[in-house]
Amino acid sequence: GAVVSQHPSWVICKSGTSVKIECRSLDFQATTMFWYRQFPKQSLMLMATSNEGSKATYEQGVEKDKFLINHASLTLSTLTVTSAHPEDSSFYICSASPRGGRANVLTFGAGSRLTVL
Amino acid sequence: AQKITQTQPGMFVQEKEAVTLDCTYDTSDPSYGLFWYKQPSSGEMIFLIYQGSYDQQNATEGRYSLNFQKARKSANLVISASQLGDSAMYFCAMREGEVNTGGFKTIFGAGTRLFVKA
Repeated sequence: GAVVSQHPSWVICKSGTSVKIECRSLDFQATTMFWYRQFPKQSLMLMATSNEGSKATYEQGVEKDKFLINHASLTLSTLTVTSAHPEDSSFYICSASPRGGRANVLTFGAGSRLTVL
Repeated sequence: AQKITQTQPGMFVQEKEAVTLDCTYDTSDPSYGLFWYKQPSSGEMIFLIYQGSYDQQNATEGRYSLNFQKARKSANLVISASQLGDSAMYFCAMREGEVNTGGFKTIFGAGTRLFVKA
């Protein structure tokens, strides 16, 4: 089955630093990947759609300069939280679906828990 | 406006009993997909079941079935013979947009926390 790997699973950083999270589709090609953010006890909020070889599409209210997304290959998308602050602490989770797969069912990575001190 | 509504923040069910988790949705797109995902405390998102807007029959996957009532715009999840391991957060989700061109996105409801009692 489709497998999505996300790394790191957790990261702690100091305020003002940048953190990069990687999302890889291990056994399929993904022209589109999705980045979600989840606060404790809340739902998943779509942040952006990552498109291979082109600019990401950000949802309303998401700062594109704050959350840099790069989708340089058909198997890798990265999310960089720039100049992180404590309010950026959250659970970030990526997802993708195989091209031609079942009704575009999303396969999720295991998520990355970011804590900004 | 909320596009996916899950009105039950928490639900309790006795082990081996059936439980229904409610979900209503709102869309003007004639082609859409409805999903249910399970999120245990570990945080991973586990796909459970899918229903397409044009599917005539309700989807079933093992102990999971989706009660799709298109006119009422509801897509309730039914879990039969509940097990202790079913205790988790359950999210209803809807895919909108064009699947073939990749111009689609999936949005999630607020979730329902299910507690299975022994």
